[in-house]
Amino acid sequence: GESVGLHLPTLSVQEGDNSIINCAYSNSASDYFIWYKQESGKGPQFIIDIRSNMDKRQGQRVTVLLNKTVKHLSLQIAATQPGDSAVYFCAERTSGSRLTFGEGTQLTVNP
Amino acid sequence: GAGVSQSPSNKVTEKGKDVELRCDPISGHTALYWYRQSLGQGLEFLIYFQGNSAPDKSGLPSDRFSAERTGGSVSTLTIQRTQQEDSAVYLCASSLDWVTGELFFGEGSRLTVL
Repeated sequence: GESVGLHLPTLSVQEGDNSIINCAYSNSASDYFIWYKQESGKGPQFIIDIRSNMDKRQGQRVTVLLNKTVKHLSLQIAATQPGDSAVYFCAERTSGSRLTFGEGTQLTVNP
Repeated sequence: GAGVSQSPSNKVTEKGKDVELRCDPISGHTALYWYRQSLGQGLEFLIYFQGNSAPDKSGLPSDRFSAERTGGSVSTLTIQRTQQEDSAVYLCASSLDWVTGELFFGEGSRLTVL
């Protein structure tokens, strides 16, 4: 069935390094993708989104890349900080407004 | 309040009992979602409300689960005859409308069924 999944369940980086979190999706009809960050004990928080008519979008220290050819989404975090430690979820939307979330990647930033 | 508010934050119940979880969305947000998150897992879609349209109930796992949204604002998720596998964090989110994917999540209601 339709699904959004992640290549790696965990990612450990050193403070100051750049982080790349990957996501694969299976529904070519998805037109909208979002990255969320979830800190322990809290609800997910919106980070950045991208529509299917784009292949790159930048925010503050974050960049999302979309490769529709291979159905791949990535989140790049520049100069990773300890406060970036969290679980990161990608989500896709196909028809209507239902968002489907992936399983999540645990990012750990080592000082 | 400024954010999505959920209550109770924690609920412990016995198997077979009914529970109600409440969500107060951000004022003015027309879209409201319920998701379920088991320990260490992703978010499982349950139900979605958008304005006066019929809700999308396609994610409800069984007929023991139901939800309503009164007056286009507060929503209640009801689980009847709870079972141990219902134990999870139930997250509510709202958004301005169905177009935006920027959902604002509450802190969740942690349900433990003994």
